[in-house]
Amino acid sequence: GENVEQHPSTLSVQEGDSAVIKCTYSDSASNYFPWYKQELGKRPQLIIDIRSNVGEKKDQRIAVTLNKTAKHFSLHITETQPEDSAVYFCAASMQRNDMRFGAGTRLTVKP
Amino acid sequence: GAVVSQHPSRVICKSGTSVKIECRSLDFQATTMFWYRQFPKQSLMLMATSNEGSKATYEQGVEKDKFLINHASLTLSTLTVTSAHPEDSSFYICSASNPRTGDTEAFFGQGTRLTVV
Repeated sequence: GENVEQHPSTLSVQEGDSAVIKCTYSDSASNYFPWYKQELGKRPQLIIDIRSNVGEKKDQRIAVTLNKTAKHFSLHITETQPEDSAVYFCAASMQRNDMRFGAGTRLTVKP
Repeated sequence: GAVVSQHPSRVICKSGTSVKIECRSLDFQATTMFWYRQFPKQSLMLMATSNEGSKATYEQGVEKDKFLINHASLTLSTLTVTSAHPEDSSFYICSASNPRTGDTEAFFGQGTRLTVV
């Protein structure tokens, strides 16, 4: 089955700096790669996603890149703000949407 | 986006009792829903896939007799934790996607924090 690894587990940046979180997946059949932001005790919120036919996607301060050959994808947050502090999860799935999640990255943005 | 509602949001039960958690898709019909479990400071682990009108598919290591899943309608899936023990205390969360839009985006319920005392 699919195995998703995520690094780093914790990340601390200064406000205004960029943050990068990386994930790798094992199943080449996976074709959908979402990123979620989760605040304590709340449901995950989709922040951006990418499909396997696209190499990069950007939405304002957030971007995701996908390298299918290497089976890795990354989340880039620019101009970080304190409200970006949360736990971020990457995930991988095939069409059925039974997602496998990475272990999570706790991002702290220091004012 | 689509709305998935989960109930209850919090439950405390005594060891040995059973607890039922409901997951409803409010504005779409979901033939498939997914149940995850999340322990503190850990990731979401897929427990099972709930299929409307048929048996659920369980992930390896998840006891189907302990975690009973019923998906009796296109808008409701239930997870029953039977004979709960303190080690079952966790955050349980469901998700569903809207097949009509052809979108693979998953919409999550708000989660249920189960505490077994």
